[in-house]
Amino acid sequence: ETGVTQTPRHLVMGMTNKKSLKCEQHLGHNAMYWYKQSAKKPLELMFVYNFKEQTENNSVPSRFSPECPNSSHLFLHLHTLQPEDSALYLCASGQGPEKLFFGSGTQLSVL
Amino acid sequence: SQQGEEDPQALSIQEGENATMNCSYKTSINNLQWYRQNSGRGLVHLILIRSNEREKHSGRLRVTLDTSKKSSSLLITASRAADTASYFCATDLPPTGANSKLTFGKGITLSVRP
Repeated sequence: ETGVTQTPRHLVMGMTNKKSLKCEQHLGHNAMYWYKQSAKKPLELMFVYNFKEQTENNSVPSRFSPECPNSSHLFLHLHTLQPEDSALYLCASGQGPEKLFFGSGTQLSVL
Repeated sequence: SQQGEEDPQALSIQEGENATMNCSYKTSINNLQWYRQNSGRGLVHLILIRSNEREKHSGRLRVTLDTSKKSSSLLITASRAADTASYFCATDLPPTGANSKLTFGKGITLSVRP
């Protein structure tokens, strides 16, 4: 148990659906991250939030919309996704410029 | 472009043997970290080595860093079946910021046979 919880663990959605991924941490960290993990590819950093403010958007398509209402919660809103968006989406939190704590991820399948 | 690149891509060893995994990177770093990922789970931090350090130990783990060669190695001694997982190196790039912006490699799949 890393202290970072992601829900749901698995999600299947059609290309016209709207869904949201949720992440919460109770570690008191000020920064939260979304990463995308696709097979045979390096982890891709998507978004970074620091004290609820977005500090990094790594050229992510607008069909992914993050939301960070407070330092403990992070959402990723999904709409009109493509099959190539199927991947494991990992949330992480951290305090300072060192190690990250990851959730177990949401395995997303887009049909 | 990919910063950290692990080698080999896959490694299979017998329980009790040592496992050595390598990582090369392209640009200057603040620190380099190794993470482990069990199948279908998130990544777990193993060890961090700063750019001014050459070697660190943590239990059965030994990591080295050679900044002149821009490379690092992770050694797991006396491996166990439970060490079976994917291992990733991640680099934290300058300038030193308030938060990590780690860049990960594709990972190494380690299989430890009982």
